[in-house]
Amino acid sequence: QKEVEQDPGPLSVPEGAIVSLNCTYSNSAFQYFMWYRQYSRKGPELLMYTYSSGNKEDGRFTAQVDKSSKYISLFIRDSQPSDSATYLCAMKGGGATNKLIFGTGTLLAVQP
Amino acid sequence: DTGVSQDPRHKITKRGQNVTFRCDPISEHNRLYWYRQTLGQGPEFLTYFQNEAQLEKSRLLSDRFSAERPKGSFSTLEIQRTEQGDSAMYLCASSPQGRSYEQYFGPGTRLTVT
Repeated sequence: QKEVEQDPGPLSVPEGAIVSLNCTYSNSAFQYFMWYRQYSRKGPELLMYTYSSGNKEDGRFTAQVDKSSKYISLFIRDSQPSDSATYLCAMKGGGATNKLIFGTGTLLAVQP
Repeated sequence: DTGVSQDPRHKITKRGQNVTFRCDPISEHNRLYWYRQTLGQGPEFLTYFQNEAQLEKSRLLSDRFSAERPKGSFSTLEIQRTEQGDSAMYLCASSPQGRSYEQYFGPGTRLTVT
């Protein structure tokens, strides 16, 4: 079993829809939770990071972390065709390790 | 542009050849990371530097792989005796002091081994 599970999609939605992207994880030591956006053949772009449980909002994006369920979500409101990309969740434990553990990514297509 | 830069962007090499990639981090970041990403997968951690010290290495980093950051600024990743299984995107990231959860990635070097 992978430490981080993410549905690869593809997920296709109409422009203006609310998008929900999710990851589950098995390692209870994870304390930091990140979302990256990756366009085809580009490097990942950091969208948001969250520490521990709770919600964080940044413009049209909202990240949620539920550590009791080991479940994180990214919501995109008023989705745009320019949001079409692969969305990667990533996690990091506390302590000495500095590596991020990524999900496989969800491919999102927003149809105009 | 003050982001992470990587060179070259693309590299095609024949099996058995050695290749070297360069990464220039964001200037005020003292932490630098290398990851590898294959098609349909998320990035996988290879190694991490704090200043010039290599502090963490993955089991993925076989003895054919070596990374350096001699002056605590740019870093190089060398792969010796390349194999077809080394074909991947090699990504570099950097982060500020004390904020290793805040990693910013470069555009990557796409390696194709023929």
